[in-house]
Amino acid sequence: GDSVTQMEGPVTLSEEAFLTINCTYTATGYPSLFWYVQYPGEGLQLLLKATKADDKGSNKGFEATYRKETTSFHLEKGSVQVSDSAVYFCALKWYGGSQGNLIFGKGTKLSVKP
Amino acid sequence: NAGVTQTPKFQVLKTGQSMTLQCAQDMNHEYMSWYRQDPGMGLRLIHYSVGAGITDQGEVPNGYNVSRSTTEDFPLRLLSAAPSQTSVYFCASSSTDDKWTEAFFGQGTRLTVV
Repeated sequence: GDSVTQMEGPVTLSEEAFLTINCTYTATGYPSLFWYVQYPGEGLQLLLKATKADDKGSNKGFEATYRKETTSFHLEKGSVQVSDSAVYFCALKWYGGSQGNLIFGKGTKLSVKP
Repeated sequence: NAGVTQTPKFQVLKTGQSMTLQCAQDMNHEYMSWYRQDPGMGLRLIHYSVGAGITDQGEVPNGYNVSRSTTEDFPLRLLSAAPSQTSVYFCASSSTDDKWTEAFFGQGTRLTVV
């Protein structure tokens, strides 16, 4: 079945460092891909998404490109801030019924030190 | 602008007790779902609903019941709580189940079963 694999954490970076969180997926069709972020004590919120191959999603300085050839959707940010400390989830979504639900990776915890 | 509201935020149950986790959304979304979040496991789908009166099982439905009598509400019932149900529970809603539509999440309910 469809699945999402993302790099294990935790990831600890210094402020202004470059961030990459790897995400790869397995899917029979062409799903949409998402990055959700969970700040401490809160629910998940959408960070960015891409709905077809070669689409780039971007928000708050984060970017991810839907790569069909490598089945990847890696999250990047050029200069992280302490306020980016959170858990990041890569997810995919397909059509209808149970497939209309998100399938999540296990999450990557990011800590940014001043 | 409430979005998705979950109650309670925290709950401690004894083994064998029953309880209902409440979820309400004010966005007139047809599609609602329940996930549980466990360390190192990401989020896993428990049950979902594509509209009032229609529910179906997700990946980990055992020990949980749901019903959907209105568009707004989607309660999750634990019939006889077990320590394995200690988790953080998230309710989510989206306007449709197509692949382009983002899901909105509640703040979560942290449940401990002793």
